[in-house]
This record gives sequence, C-alpha cells and structure tokens, in this order.
Amino acid sequence: DAGVIQSPRHEVTEMGQEVTLRCKPISGHDYLFWYRQTMMRGLELLIYFNNNVPIDDSGMPEDRFSAKMPNASFSTLKIQPSEPRDSAVYFCASSSQGWGDTEAFFGQGTRLTVV
Amino acid sequence: AQSVAQPEDQVNVAEGNPLTVKCTYSVSGNPYLFWYVQYPNRGLQFLLKYITGDNLVKGSYGFEAEFNKSQTSFHLKKPSALVSDSALYFCAVRDWRGSGAGSYQLTFGKGTKLSVIP
Repeated sequence: DAGVIQSPRHEVTEMGQEVTLRCKPISGHDYLFWYRQTMMRGLELLIYFNNNVPIDDSGMPEDRFSAKMPNASFSTLKIQPSEPRDSAVYFCASSSQGWGDTEAFFGQGTRLTVV
Repeated sequence: AQSVAQPEDQVNVAEGNPLTVKCTYSVSGNPYLFWYVQYPNRGLQFLLKYITGDNLVKGSYGFEAEFNKSQTSFHLKKPSALVSDSALYFCAVRDWRGSGAGSYQLTFGKGTKLSVIP
C-alpha cells in the first residue's frame, strides 16, 4: 500500500478564497483523522471519522471549516473563506478498527499558506 | 479526557550517548500509549506503543519505552543516539469520547525536539 496520500503538498492562496485539502486513507482502514499542526498550538485534532461517519468534530475551529468522507477511500477538508490564521500544516491519518490499540498512519501533510 | 505531557521542549544529547525523551500521562482506566517521530517536512511515523504486558516496549530504529504505572510515565529511550535521530518526538494517549469501538482518538503531547550533536 502506498500509505496515506494527501494532496496537494503545498497550497498558497489568498485570503477569502476556498481551499480544499484531500486525503486517501490506507485501504481497509476504518478510521480517518484530520489534524492541524502549528508552532503555537502543536498538533490539534480537528475531526475524525469511523466508517465514513463523523464521530467528533469538536476540534473544528469555526464554521468556515468542513470535512466530508463520501466513501471509504476519500476525504476532504474545506476552508471557506480562508484566513491568514489558517496557515498551518494539515495532516490526514488513518487506522484500522479496534479499541484504540492500533497505531495511526499519517500522510505527508499539506502545507497551507494563506496570504 | 485523557492527556499526556512532555515537559521538555528540547533535548540535546551527544552522539553515542543514551537519550531519554520524557512523557507523563493522565488517564482514567488502562492507558494505551504511543510514541511517534516527525522528521522535517514529513508526517508522523509510529515508533512504538504500550497496550498491556511487559513494561519495556521495543520499537523501531532501536528505540524503546518504559511504562511506569506508579510514576504515570512512558519515557522514550535509546542506548546510543545517532545524528539521524534528530527530529520531533510526540507522545500520545488513546482518548475515549463516547462508547463503543468508534469513539476513540489519539491525543498528542506538544512534542519534544531532539537534537543529537555530532
């Protein structure tokens, strides 16, 4: 398996524009997580899905952020409209179903810069 | 909620010396603990985990971690540090947000930057 695949790797956009980040989890994994990493706040969980269903989105910072998982092999994180403070590295991770005893596999991340 | 703390923002160690990266946890129930490493411009990579059993857990790249229930710690260790071990290290704990198998997530510490000096 190629691992968790995220696209794009880098995104530079202007404030107010819509940004869509994409993730393909490892085949067979039932959990998918979206994290955001910044110097100030470290690694924050934004939302996670189990069997394509959002379980906990309490980490989503504002209504400008939304995430979907239309099927087991694809998820998106959308920011509309984007703001400079959204600049961060966004990671997608997936893991297999279990009682929390399995490790998560991370993608390479998308570095988002909002100017 | 469960949590982990990494008390050191940065650890410096000379190449060839033993290294320790500290992690303490706060959980209700049995802790499921993990260590991850992040190299520059890369995603996090799994190193090792403690679920149950032997308190000394061995993982990738020669790393090991010792689970200490009385001290609520899960320190990462390596007998002899390499320059290539320089990276950001994260401790994480399983956190339940509800009931059932679909209700867990990983909560990460703030990370510790390890610098191995040649």
